Amino acid sequence: GIQVEQSPPDLILQEGANSTLRCNFSDSVNNLQWFHQNPWGQLINLFYIPSGTKQNGRLSATTVATERYSLLYISSSQTTDSGVYFCAVDDYGGSQGNLIFGKGTKLSVKP
Amino acid sequence: DADVTQTPRNRITKTGKRIMLECSQTKGHDRMYWYRQDPGLGLRLIYYSFDVKDINKGEISDGYSVSRQAQAKFSLSLESAIPNQTALYFCATSTRQGPTDTQYFGPGTRLTVL
Repeated sequence: GIQVEQSPPDLILQEGANSTLRCNFSDSVNNLQWFHQNPWGQLINLFYIPSGTKQNGRLSATTVATERYSLLYISSSQTTDSGVYFCAVDDYGGSQGNLIFGKGTKLSVKP
Repeated sequence: DADVTQTPRNRITKTGKRIMLECSQTKGHDRMYWYRQDPGLGLRLIYYSFDVKDINKGEISDGYSVSRQAQAKFSLSLESAIPNQTALYFCATSTRQGPTDTQYFGPGTRLTVL
């Protein structure tokens, strides 16, 4: 099945810094989503982005489907950005709609 | 997402007990999913349902069963709970009828099996 790798596994930032999180996937996909899991465990949708670029406030994401990677950019980070960021893709050749998750990037933003 | 609710939010049970986790949604979505999350790992799919009469096993279905009582309700059962089923369980919904396949997640149920 499709493999999803996220890097880095851990990231510590000072408030106000910028960061880039990466997601590599091993096969073609129909669906790619970025999620933020806050310290209370809640999963929040950030982007649905199987290709192209999207922006939402201080966050933006780019997926280059032909090269099988996606990037999540966080600018001017805030302590509330702390948590784990997951990339998830569906298996294009498998049962569409089922997401395969990476292991996440744990982000800690220090005041 | 408040449109997807899970009950209970926390549960402690003993080995061998039967337990049911419930999920309800008001988003009008046809597809529903159950995932589990173990510490330090991403989510893994247990079961999914594309409509009331279509239920499919996911990556880790052993030891679990599900029931799709209505389009808006999808329950996960552990017939005889064991300690390695201690995890955070998430329900999710999506639809093929909209412009995207975005999955929306409930708040999670933290299950501890002693």
